[in-house]
Amino acid sequence: DTAVSQTPKYLVTQMGNDKSIKCEQNLGHDTMYWYKQDSKKFLKIMFSYNNKELIINETVPNRFSPKSPDKAHLNLHINSLELGDSAVYFCASSPGRLAGGETQYFGPGTRLLVL
Amino acid sequence: AQKVTQAQTEISVVEKEDVTLDCVYETRDTTYYLFWYKQPPSGELVFLIRRNSFDEQNEISGRYSWNFQKSTSSFNFTITASQVVDSAVYFCALSEGTSGSRLTFGEGTQLTVNP
Repeated sequence: DTAVSQTPKYLVTQMGNDKSIKCEQNLGHDTMYWYKQDSKKFLKIMFSYNNKELIINETVPNRFSPKSPDKAHLNLHINSLELGDSAVYFCASSPGRLAGGETQYFGPGTRLLVL
Repeated sequence: AQKVTQAQTEISVVEKEDVTLDCVYETRDTTYYLFWYKQPPSGELVFLIRRNSFDEQNEISGRYSWNFQKSTSSFNFTITASQVVDSAVYFCALSEGTSGSRLTFGEGTQLTVNP
């Protein structure tokens, strides 16, 4: 069974479109994350939710909006896509203690290409 | 602010050689956690190890070993008798005890093991 899954795996779209990436975890974790990996492989956190509550919101354009319908799901909506949004987006989860230092388990990634 | 530096961008070795990947970190917290992740060519992020700042014992897991030295703020990773399947990008990451499990990643080291 896949622990952290993301759909779609690949997403090719035109500039200006709106798209969503879905993430689900079956580990029973309380905390979920979105990371962005750019073309140079650099990984940076975007958002984190604990039990449906936003706890980390990095300096990300407000075109990006996370939504957590329940603690097992964290979706990422991107409005008005730009060329610079092309990247691999990773979802991750961890058990959920807020003290820090938890091991995060990552999904397979969604490769987004904006044309 | 927390920072992780992996000075080696790319390393190329021949199979069966030992190789060490360097990781240097910066943090003001006394409680923090260090991680290594592997990203094989297939793209997923695979958790390898987690270490907290109070445990400086070195760890060995099969051909993998980790050397944590607080005096030099380093958390180096050694692969003994490397194999072609070890070819991947390896990331070192840091989470501070006060940052709610936010992972700060290094730039990654591309390891290529040639037959």
